[in-house]
Parts: sequence; C-alpha cells; structure tokens
Amino acid sequence: DQQVKQNSPSLSVQEGRISILNCDYTNSMFDYFLWYKKYPAEGPTFLISISSIKDKNEDGRFTVFLNKSAKHLSLHIVPSQPGDSAVYFCAASGVSGGSYIPTFGRGTSLIVHP
Amino acid sequence: DTGVSQDPRHKITKRGQNVTFRCDPISEHNRLYWYRQTLGQGPEFLTYFQNEAQLEKSRLLSDRFSAERPKGSFSTLEIQRTEQGDSAMYLCASSVYRGGGGNTEAFFGQGTRLTVV
Repeated sequence: DQQVKQNSPSLSVQEGRISILNCDYTNSMFDYFLWYKKYPAEGPTFLISISSIKDKNEDGRFTVFLNKSAKHLSLHIVPSQPGDSAVYFCAASGVSGGSYIPTFGRGTSLIVHP
Repeated sequence: DTGVSQDPRHKITKRGQNVTFRCDPISEHNRLYWYRQTLGQGPEFLTYFQNEAQLEKSRLLSDRFSAERPKGSFSTLEIQRTEQGDSAMYLCASSVYRGGGGNTEAFFGQGTRLTVV
C-alpha cells in the first residue's frame, strides 16, 4: 500500500528550464512533507520541507507547493542545472500509526541536459 | 559534528552469516531511524528509536533482524543468518523530535551496502 506516490519514474529537462517533480499522498494524517535528493551510492540529502499549515516554501532555486485538498505536492527547480541530476524522493510524516515516521515515495530520476 | 555516520560502507557476506552495522547519529538528535532501500524503490522504514527506546518495528523487520541503541547514542543493526533477499542499502537517519507536532527533517548517513552471496 503505497501511501506516498511519485508516478513519474523519470524526468528530462534542459539546463536553465524549470523542473517540476510531483508527489501524491493518500494518508490525510500526514502534515509534514519533505523532499530529498539522492546520488548513486550515497544516502538521501535533505532539500526542503513544508508543513501543512503552509502552501508554499521557497529556498533559493527550490520551491515546494502543497495542495492539501488534492493531497498533492510538487517541487519546482528553477533554473535547472546539470548538477541537479539525481533521484528525488518525496516523503511525508504525521501522527499516523508510528508517530512522525517519514514515509517515502519510489523516487523520480531527474536528468538535466546541458 | 559532521553528520550521520555509518560503518561499514560496504559489506559482502556469505549466505547464513551474521552481520552487524553501526550508525552514529548527529549528537543532539533524539530520534534514530533505520531504513532499507533496494533498486528502484524508495527508503523503506524498518525501525526507530527515541533516545534509547525502540518504539516501532516494521513488518519488514523479521525475527532475524535486531536493533539496539544503548544509552541513546549510537545504534547497531544486526542481521542473523543472512539471505540473498537481505541484499540492499541499509540507511540510518536521525532527527530532533520535540513532541506535540514539532517535527523536523531527518538527516541520512551514507548507507551500508550489503551484498549476500
């Protein structure tokens, strides 16, 4: 039962353009959402998070948008750079079963072409 | 403090052998998580500690798996009688949990890549 879904396994964009990575969740008890970036053979690196009391959080080139009614969040990267090429994981947590244990999606592989 | 540290980075073992992994979290973090990641999947939750107490274990954590966090500092994950299906990246993460909805992000270590031959 996949509570956090990333339906696009891969995304390819041109350098300088916007990358939009999408994530859907099913558990309405989730109230804290995170994006991680992962290079091969390394652990995930935290990028940006958003609490359910907000609908947008921005950090430099990275912006996360949250649509609670649709149970959908997205990560925007603008402008995209070749160094952004990695696998991006969406994660969600909340007081559901285990308290605030991050639950991850399967990831989206982003390739940014020079 | 340089972040979450895991040891070893790689482990190759023969089927049926026991293996133990170590995780040193960020020093002020009271929560420590273990996850497992296989190819094409996201990290899957195994277990977590709050201070020294192990508060939850996933159904993925069979009886062959055991984890400890003595004194609420470093943690170990042991797999007994390893099977080929145990081959995966084992990830450790830590975070500060303040209770009452005060959640913070989890920081991951580099992982331990286990190969069972």
